[in-house]
Amino acid sequence: EAEVAQSPRYKITEKSQAVAFWCDPISGHATLYWYRQILGQGPELLVQFQDESVVDDSQLPKDRFSAERLKGVDSTLKIQPAELGDSAMYLCASSLSFWGPGTEAFFGQGTRLTVV
Amino acid sequence: AQTVTQSQPEMSVQEAETVTLSCTYDTSENNYYLFWYKQPPSRQMILVIRQEAYKQQNATENRFSVNFQKAAKSFSLKISDSQLGDTAMYFCAFLTPSGAGSYQLTFGKGTKLSVIP
Repeated sequence: EAEVAQSPRYKITEKSQAVAFWCDPISGHATLYWYRQILGQGPELLVQFQDESVVDDSQLPKDRFSAERLKGVDSTLKIQPAELGDSAMYLCASSLSFWGPGTEAFFGQGTRLTVV
Repeated sequence: AQTVTQSQPEMSVQEAETVTLSCTYDTSENNYYLFWYKQPPSRQMILVIRQEAYKQQNATENRFSVNFQKAAKSFSLKISDSQLGDTAMYFCAFLTPSGAGSYQLTFGKGTKLSVIP
């Protein structure tokens, strides 16, 4: 069964260091989401791609966060420099399309980031 | 702004009983999609059920069904014959246009459901 792959599963980093997360969506899925989930809360959207284009990054802290999906397939989310408040689970999800049939998002297992 | 409210932070249910999780949302859009997702402890989020706002018939998936009240902007999830494996966080979410040709998938804060043997 096709899955959304994320790596690493866990990451511990010191504050002010750079950290990067990788996501490989389900093959053929044009829409890719990055969410941040603080323990015990719901996911909050950071950035949304349609193919290689960013369609929504209004909640992305652009002074320290960046995201790319250069060939419209896999994606990287970077934080530089990391802050203590960035400790959270970072979830990647993909969907076949952003509207109509196939809008349901499939999630990866996430990357749990701890900033010390 | 699109918002999703889950008013029950935690719930519990006896095994084999029925439980209903509440969700309300706010949007000015007429066409949208609604979802319930399940996140078991330390495991990934999976889709439970999906409802299209233009369909009046409530969606059903085996033991899971929804009560969709469009006028009231309510979308509750009913779990029948609860099983221990249903223990998880449940998130209500909806997908709406968010302007300039984009669409946003917004989640509620979740309800932690515990199934008691």
